[in-house]
This record gives sequence, C-alpha cells and structure tokens, in this order.
Amino acid sequence: GQNIDQPTEMTATEGAIVQINCTYQTSGFNGLFWYQQHAGEAPTFLSYNVLDGLEEKGRFSSFLSRSKGYSYLLLKELQMKDSASYLCAVRENNNAGNMLTFGGGTRLMVKP
Amino acid sequence: NAGVMQNPRHLVRRRGQEARLRCSPMKGHSHVYWYRQLPEEGLKFMVYLQKENIIDESGMPKERFSAEFPKEGPSILRIQQVVRGDSAAYFCASSPRGGGLEQFFGPGTRLTVL
Repeated sequence: GQNIDQPTEMTATEGAIVQINCTYQTSGFNGLFWYQQHAGEAPTFLSYNVLDGLEEKGRFSSFLSRSKGYSYLLLKELQMKDSASYLCAVRENNNAGNMLTFGGGTRLMVKP
Repeated sequence: NAGVMQNPRHLVRRRGQEARLRCSPMKGHSHVYWYRQLPEEGLKFMVYLQKENIIDESGMPKERFSAEFPKEGPSILRIQQVVRGDSAAYFCASSPRGGGLEQFFGPGTRLTVL
C-alpha cells in the first residue's frame, strides 16, 4: 500500500515562487508524477521523476529524493492562471500493472 | 490526434437506477484506467483494463460496479442501483502501454445521484 501526503491548501502572490511538497511511503517505487487540475477539468501532466534530482521544465520544476520519500513541485513567476489543484501521484511496481496512486491534492490560490 | 474522450460529461440518476460511463482512449492506446474523485478529494484508482481483459480491479467496490473494455468500442464503467454516495467525478485515463510514462486523462463524467 501507499501513503501520500501533501498540504491541502496554499496561497501565494502573483510573480512569486511557491514550493509544494509531497511525501510518500511505498514499496516498489517506480516514479512520481505531478499533475495540475483546474476546477471541473481533467488533470494534466506536469512532470515525472524516477531518479533523484531536479527536473526543470519552463516555470515548473520537480525534485525527487527516493531515500527520503520526498518530492516537491516548484512554480516560479506565478501567474493567476496557476491557481489550481496540484496532484502528486506515485507509480508502484506490482504484478498487475503500473497504476497511479494520488495524494489528496494541494489547492493553490494565487493572489494579485 | 483526439485526446481521451468521455461521455456523457454530466449524468444525473435517481437512486436505484443504472449509470453507464463511456471512455474512448487516445488513438493507439490500449490501456485504460478509471479513477473516481469525490468532491474536494484526490483521485482514487478503481480499475485498469486492456482490450478484453481486466488487469487490476483492486480499487473497485465489489458490488454494483463493473467495467469492460471490449475488442471494439469504448471502455464502459457500469454502476448498478446507484446510491447518493456514488456521486463523484469519474475520470478515465489511457496510456500506450501499462508502464507508459504518462497517463492522459479525459474530461471526466460528473455523476449526480438524486
């Protein structure tokens, strides 16, 4: 089984930087994903980490430490449109397939 | 290339009725995942299917829920005798293979049980 924790809500200011943390406990770790979900819409893929370190993609970066069971999503130069829920998901090796287990999501509110 | 399609987008049912949710994966994708999202909560895995096979249904309630992915046509999530607690958003995702790097999500079906 898996246990994935992330803060429920965060608030940040337009133009600032925000870091959303995610901790997990799992066996057979096979990758960590971050998704963005605007209210009433489908989750959209942001990033994927399977090795330790930082993956950068434009304004978004994601970091992973497998030994600590820890990841964060870093959003730079925040824009109002970044107000959304950010979902941390872990993929675990098992015999059946590689489905994702999601955390509860972090609702980010960007203020002017 | 069309994305994952789900229909209907909104579905209203009365208690005791049946709900059928459809998912057409992206072209070339043969793996389908169904997730349920209750209000203000994260997505919960329900079932993973390949064409004509259920690979993992460990997240699906044992009663009233069933899923299929026939050789031809969309994947179907079926909920019999719906209850108010079934009200949720049901998302389908697809990938080109089970260990695919990314799962692509459909827009979801929002089920409301009156």
